[in-house]
Amino acid sequence: GAVVSQHPSWVICKSGTSVKIECRSLDFQATTMFWYRQFPKQSLMLMATSNEGSKATYEQGVEKDKFLINHASLTLSTLTVTSAHPEDSSFYICSASPQGETQYFGPGTRLLVL
Amino acid sequence: EDQVTQSPEALRLQEGESSSLNCSYTVSGLRGLFWYRQDPGKGPEFLFTLYSAGEEKEKERLKATLTKKESFLHITAPKPEDSATYLCAVQLSGGSYIPTFGRGTSLIVHP
Repeated sequence: GAVVSQHPSWVICKSGTSVKIECRSLDFQATTMFWYRQFPKQSLMLMATSNEGSKATYEQGVEKDKFLINHASLTLSTLTVTSAHPEDSSFYICSASPQGETQYFGPGTRLLVL
Repeated sequence: EDQVTQSPEALRLQEGESSSLNCSYTVSGLRGLFWYRQDPGKGPEFLFTLYSAGEEKEKERLKATLTKKESFLHITAPKPEDSATYLCAVQLSGGSYIPTFGRGTSLIVHP
């Protein structure tokens, strides 16, 4: 149980384009989902908290106009990287919590912006 | 300031050589402490949740324990497939349930 999927698993795009990443909780409902970014050999950096039916809460220093988050249902949250640039290249991971405690993570999406 | 510190940063073991990873925390009010395993290029995999001092949980060669100030992840007779980064996260009580993650311990088990 408690499976979270992400799609796509990797994406390569040209600078200036937008990329959408989907995060789904497959066997439970998640009122809240989280989006993280991870650089090589570093720990997880929380970008934003996504609440179903309301606006996401962004961590300090994260541009909300660049990283658009939508939590359309209790099982789906999306992260759109708008006008992507090479510095946005990273490993993006989502997580979901069935009851606000233990977080279950997706497999991650590797983004490479050329 | 609340902090989660993991040690050592990196650990190399021979297969079968048991050891422990440490996660110390300085938070005011603990709701839960979580251990995850992360393989390169993958999302963290949930291992354990601990809620109160004295609690222990086991899974195969792993055992997690919790005191009022720290948690240990004991690895008994490790195998090469146990090689991974182990992350610890702390969730505070009475407020946001967003956990604070440590930097992790990178474990390599040599055959």
